[in-house]
Amino acid sequence: GENVEQHPSTLSVQEGDSAVIKCTYSDSASNYFPWYKQELGKRPQLIIDIRSNVGEKKDQRIAVTLNKTAKHFSLHITETQPEDSAVYFCAAYSYGGSQGNLIFGKGTKLSVKP
Amino acid sequence: DGGITQSPKYLFRKEGQNVTLSCEQNLNHDAMYWYRQDPGQGLRLIYYSQIVNDFQKGDIAEGYSVSREKKESFPLTVTSAQKNPTAFYLCASTPTRVNSPLHFGNGTRLTVT
Repeated sequence: GENVEQHPSTLSVQEGDSAVIKCTYSDSASNYFPWYKQELGKRPQLIIDIRSNVGEKKDQRIAVTLNKTAKHFSLHITETQPEDSAVYFCAAYSYGGSQGNLIFGKGTKLSVKP
Repeated sequence: DGGITQSPKYLFRKEGQNVTLSCEQNLNHDAMYWYRQDPGQGLRLIYYSQIVNDFQKGDIAEGYSVSREKKESFPLTVTSAQKNPTAFYLCASTPTRVNSPLHFGNGTRLTVT
């Protein structure tokens, strides 16, 4: 089945700097990769997603890149702000076994220092 | 918020008691899910349901049970057989199961002592 590895587990940056979070996946059949942001005590919220027919997608300060050959995808946040501080989860859609489902990484705690 | 309502927000139970967590959605989504979240563990799938009266085990179904009698509702029962029930439980839904983003409820934090 699918295995999703996420790095780093914690990331601290200065306000205005960029932040990059990387994920690798094992199932070459996976073709959908969402990213979620979860603030403390709140529900995860989708911030951006990418499908395997594109290599990059941007939404204002957030971008995601996908390398299907290497089976890794990354979240890039530019001009970070204190409100970007949260836990970020990557996920990959797995077709393995009798069920297909989103498999999540273990999360990256991002801290943006003012 | 977001059309998925989980209740209660906080729940306390004594060890050995069964407890049921509520999840209701008004998004007309077909598929519903239950995830468990522990610190440093990400989100792990407990059960999911694609249609009414049908549900499937996820990766960590032992000690849990669900029902899907109505499209809008997908309650989760944490039984006394679950060895470590204290966790944050998230319910989610999607319009269809394949390649769709999950819409999450606000979660229920269960503490068992």
